[in-house]
Order: sequence, then structure tokens, then C-alpha cells
Amino acid sequence: EIVMTQSPATLSVSPGERATLSCRASQSVSSNLAWYQQKPGQAPRLLISGASNRATGIPAAFSGSGSGTEFTLTISSLQSEDFAVYYCQQYNNWPLTFGQGTKVEIK
Amino acid sequence: QVQLQASGPGLVKPSETLSLTCTISGGSITGYYWSWIRQPPGKGLESIGYIYYSGSTGYNPSLQSRVTISVDTSKSQFSLRLNSVSAADTAVYYCARGSPVFDSWGQGTLVTVSS
Repeated sequence: EIVMTQSPATLSVSPGERATLSCRASQSVSSNLAWYQQKPGQAPRLLISGASNRATGIPAAFSGSGSGTEFTLTISSLQSEDFAVYYCQQYNNWPLTFGQGTKVEIK
Repeated sequence: QVQLQASGPGLVKPSETLSLTCTISGGSITGYYWSWIRQPPGKGLESIGYIYYSGSTGYNPSLQSRVTISVDTSKSQFSLRLNSVSAADTAVYYCARGSPVFDSWGQGTLVTVSS
């Protein structure tokens, strides 16, 4: 199965600053990559699919890029509601696999 | 806006069967894939499997021998059965719409495997 590795495990960012999260696949997943946001006690929420396509209702502050094995999620200006755990997920191969998550915390 | 609600026992004994049902409201079950994902406490997400509204299924190979997902379109429900559970199956179980991308999720239900 494809192993997804996210870095860093924890990212400390001040409100208003930019956050850059990385996700690496153990083999190419083309652009078949999604990002999810999870807040404590809540279900994940789809942010991006197809590596760069924002889901319905997701603010433009969230952007995704990359293809193949290297992907990035950028949050351009962190708001208080953006502090959460973010997961990447590949869907190029079965079984679907997720990264271990990056926690974005307030600096 | 579609809503999903998972329900079932919160405690299951080792070696027994975990059974959960997801009820869909505010939208149609027809035309979509429906999935189960789980998350052990404090850990990451694991895809369990999916079912199309017509009944075709796909399972994670790591769980395939123990998993069955079924659908009842008349009730707008789909269900998960996981046999021969152990403590390693303790997790929050989520139902979600879609496969391979999950665009709507239920709130999740914690299932603890313990005697």
C-alpha cells in the first residue's frame, strides 16, 4: 500500500501568518490527493481534492499544489478557526491511505 | 444538505461482531458511494471500505476477511459489520458520503472493544 508521510507533525503559527504543510507519497499518486481538516471532537472536513481543487464552501485562503509524490497545503493567513489537524489522503491506489496528520497550533 | 448519523453499540466484547448503521437524511442515497472510515483514539484515519447504492463493494485488504458493508436504499441506510473484533478495533467509526473522496461525514461513534 502507498504510505503517506506528512511534515511537520506539529506546526506552530501566529494568527495572520502563512502555514505550509507537506505531504509525501511513497510512490506516485498523480494528482489523486485530498486534504481534510479535523477539529477536536469533530469529523474531518474535505478541503481539497485533485491536489488543488477546493471543495464547496472552502475559503480561497486554502490552496493545494503538487503532483506525483510531493504535495503542499497552504493556508495563506491563519484565522483562529483554522487551528486544527490536517490530513492528506491518496486515492490513486487501493487501499486508500491517509497521512498521520499535521497539527497546526497557535504560536 | 446531506446529514449522516452513525449508530450502534458503543461496547463490543472481544471475538464478537461490531455492527453499525449509518442513516442518511437531507439527501438521496441513490447515485452515490458510501464509506466507512475509522480513527483509533489519538491516531490517524483508516479507510474500511465502501458501497455503491446499487450494492457493489470494496474493502481494505487489511480488513477484508472480517468486513461486510451492506445497503438498504428503502431506509436510506448503509451498515458495517466487523467480525472477530479485538482491542485493536477500538476506534471512532465514521460514515461518509463518497469514495474515493469523502465530501460529507457523520459525527462518528466511538466503539470500544473490551470484556
